[in-house]
Amino acid sequence: GQNIDQPTEMTATEGAIVQINCTYQTSGFNGLFWYQQHAGEAPTFLSYNVLDGLEEKGRFSSFLSRSKGYSYLLLKELQMKDSASYLCAAGGGGNKLTFGTGTQLKVEL
Amino acid sequence: GAVVSQHPSRVICKSGTSVKIECRSLDFQATTMFWYRQFPKQSLMLMATSNEGSKATYEQGVEKDKFLINHASLTLSTLTVTSAHPEDSSFYICSARDNSLYNYGYTFGSGTRLTVV
Repeated sequence: GQNIDQPTEMTATEGAIVQINCTYQTSGFNGLFWYQQHAGEAPTFLSYNVLDGLEEKGRFSSFLSRSKGYSYLLLKELQMKDSASYLCAAGGGGNKLTFGTGTQLKVEL
Repeated sequence: GAVVSQHPSRVICKSGTSVKIECRSLDFQATTMFWYRQFPKQSLMLMATSNEGSKATYEQGVEKDKFLINHASLTLSTLTVTSAHPEDSSFYICSARDNSLYNYGYTFGSGTRLTVV
C-alpha cells in the first residue's frame, strides 16, 4: 500500500533554516514531490526528486534517498510568507500522487 | 507553463441538489486528470483518476454513482456531486498532467470550495 509520513507541525524563526522530513512507502515509485499550500488555495509545486541526492533551487532544497524511503525539504533564510503547509507526495503506479498529511510550518519573528 | 483552470471557485448548494465542477487544461492536452478532496487541516485525498474517452478509476471507498466524472475531451474533465449532503462539503481540487513534461507535469487547479446547506 501507500504510506507517507511527515510531521504535523513545525515552528521556526524568521531568517533561520528548517528541515521538513518525509518517509514514504509506495509501489511503483517514480519520484518524490514537495508542494506548498496556503490555506484555501491549491498546492504549488516546489521540487521533484527521482534520483538520490540533493536538488537545490534558490532558498529551497530537496533531498531523496530511495533506499531509505526518505526525503526532506530544506528551507533557508525563512520569511514570514513561508508560513504554509508543506506537502510531501510520492508518485506511484498509474501516475498517481499519494500525499502525506502535510506539515504546517509557522514562521515567527 | 501549464495552466489548469477550475470553476467554480466557490459554490453553495442545497442538500439533495447536484453540483458540477469543471477542470480545464488551458495550454496543453491532458489524457489523465485527477480529482482530490481535502477536508480542513487534512491532506489531499485522491478520489478518482479521470481518463479521456474512458471510464474514470475510483479509489476505494469513493462512490462512483455519487461522484460522476466525465472526461470527454483532452482539455476538460468534470466532477458532478450528485444528491449532495452536508458531509460532502469540502475543498475539491483537480490536477492534470502535461504529458510532454515527464513527471514534472502535475499542475493543480485553484480548487472549489463546496458548501452544502
